Amino acid sequence: AQTVTQSQPEMSVQEAETVTLSCTYDTSESDYYLFWYKQPPSRQMILVIRQEAYKQQNATENRFSVNFQKAAKSFSLKISDSQLGDAAMYFCAYRRNKLVFGAGTILRVKS
Amino acid sequence: GAVVSQHPSWVICKSGTSVKIECRSLDFQATTMFWYRQFPKQSLMLMATSNEGSKATYEQGVEKDKFLINHASLTLSTLTVTSAHPEDSSFYICSASRTEKNTGELFFGEGSRLTVL
Repeated sequence: AQTVTQSQPEMSVQEAETVTLSCTYDTSESDYYLFWYKQPPSRQMILVIRQEAYKQQNATENRFSVNFQKAAKSFSLKISDSQLGDAAMYFCAYRRNKLVFGAGTILRVKS
Repeated sequence: GAVVSQHPSWVICKSGTSVKIECRSLDFQATTMFWYRQFPKQSLMLMATSNEGSKATYEQGVEKDKFLINHASLTLSTLTVTSAHPEDSSFYICSASRTEKNTGELFFGEGSRLTVL
């Protein structure tokens, strides 16, 4: 079974600084999707960024970028120029058929 | 586009009663929908995969007789918590996969908070 591991229960970052959230996963598949979702206190799941496994180029969405290392099965999220609104729970997720989530990382942004 | 609506947002019921939660894809067809359960400060745990016109596929450890899932149309899936008990109190979230223009992304409802007294 596929598993997703987020080893950082909590992270803190100063406003305007950069932070990286870690994620590793385990799969025997070669074709799949990886995602980072943000869950603010409202609990609405918000897609931050998506990566297709067959694409070598790392996905980027404005201040958010990933470091996708397929051989190492690693998928970290970098948030640049952190803003107060970035504070939330962040989930790394893997999808082949089902979407499987990691345990989550609480991100705190200090002003 | 790609909006998923979940109803009700919150519900309180007495122990022993049944509660139905609806998940609708408003502007797209969803052959497949997924139901998740989330406890406070924890991750989303997949309960079952709902396929239009067929029986749901439940994850290991999820009681199919307690959590009834029906996916009668391409835009609606329902989760019924039967004979609810306080331990069923949780946050339930549905998500839908777009049948056409599938990018692998799942679109999530707003979630439903169930409290069983």
